[in-house]
Amino acid sequence: KQEVTQIPAALSVPEGENLVLNCSFTDSAIYNLQWFRQDPGKGLTSLLLIQSSQREQTSGRLNASLDKSSGRSTLYIAASQPGDSATYLCAVGRGLTFGKGTHLIIQP
Amino acid sequence: EAGVAQSPRYKIIEKRQSVAFWCNPISGHATLYWYQQILGQGPKLLIQFQNNGVVDDSQLPKDRFSAERLKGVDSTLKIQPAKLEDSAVYLCASSRGDQPQHFGDGTRLSIL
Repeated sequence: KQEVTQIPAALSVPEGENLVLNCSFTDSAIYNLQWFRQDPGKGLTSLLLIQSSQREQTSGRLNASLDKSSGRSTLYIAASQPGDSATYLCAVGRGLTFGKGTHLIIQP
Repeated sequence: EAGVAQSPRYKIIEKRQSVAFWCNPISGHATLYWYQQILGQGPKLLIQFQNNGVVDDSQLPKDRFSAERLKGVDSTLKIQPAKLEDSAVYLCASSRGDQPQHFGDGTRLSIL
């Protein structure tokens, strides 16, 4: 059974810092990996999708990497802004298996 | 394009009552998913449809939960009878091919 773990569970940093969120999964036979953002009371917004054959994806200030052999992915956020404050979720597979998320607060 | 629509946004019922949620996916998205998100947890997949056929319902508590997707478009998820532990947000998502899943805002269910 696939299990997804996200570290840290919560993170609070000053505005402008670069930061890294971590995700690990137990079964390396994944179809793809996605990073989502969830704002309070809202659904999930897809940030980046990495197919199993890819190593990384970039969108604006976000960069996600995938290392299937070690069962790890990282989400790098450059020059963080208060608007980046949200819960970030990592998920793998077609019918997605999610981690519990990292609750991120960017202090103005 | 219009997003995934869900209704109602909130529902409060007493235990042992029944409840139904509705989802309208993005036009042209053949795959539809229902997830359950308990407070403080990531979403858990309940059921996945491809058009109007079930692809995966391995985590659906079939003694009380049921779902259908008529004509391969809209879907309903029903709980009967509800238990206290069913209090959660129920999220619907849809996708096309290998593209990312798009989520609705969810239905927040409270069981008294």
